[in-house]
Amino acid sequence: DTEVTQTPKHLVMGMTNKKSLKCEQHMGHRAMYWYKQKAKKPPELMFVYSYEKLSINESVPSRFSPECPNSSLLNLHLHALQPEDSALYLCASSQESQGAYEQYFGPGTRLTVT
Amino acid sequence: EDQVTQSPEALRLQEGESSSLNCSYTVSGLRGLFWYRQDPGKGPEFLFTLYSAGEEKEKERLKATLTKKESFLHITAPKPEDSATYLCAVGTYKYIFGTGTRLKVLA
Repeated sequence: DTEVTQTPKHLVMGMTNKKSLKCEQHMGHRAMYWYKQKAKKPPELMFVYSYEKLSINESVPSRFSPECPNSSLLNLHLHALQPEDSALYLCASSQESQGAYEQYFGPGTRLTVT
Repeated sequence: EDQVTQSPEALRLQEGESSSLNCSYTVSGLRGLFWYRQDPGKGPEFLFTLYSAGEEKEKERLKATLTKKESFLHITAPKPEDSATYLCAVGTYKYIFGTGTRLKVLA
């Protein structure tokens, strides 16, 4: 099974709200990722977790806060977002982060910031 | 600077009309090249990984090939359900994505 699940599918939030996106995989993968994707653009890497530790932060604003509670779960906490943060947020996982391994993506959370 | 370019940007085919999508890359040491299919509003779906020049992989109507400078995704006798955006990416943990080819297959 190569499934990555994400909840919620859609999220509408105001600029003062706090919300969280959730991601889960049961493939035993040790690397997990958050991406942001705007319409008609490829995904942009935000964060990489390797063995439950944050290994890469692609200079993401602090209003996005990732968390990896265990090897199967990944959260993205959102606070004080801006309208330009509206996008499709994708979670992915791979066997490892070191080395060229295929990443499996979840279906995404469509986020709208009003 | 590492770069990935996909062409064409968009492609319209009649059902059954075979064609190829191109992904050319300039990277300092290819570790892996990945092909994905993405439907609107959904996450990319993994198709193939290619590691070295000369390698080929097939799945149903799709065949991916790799040379030292580019990769092709050949679509044989496409069906309307093959309509999607096809992305290629190179790299390790940090993918360098191309901008994709939007494929539309008409019945």
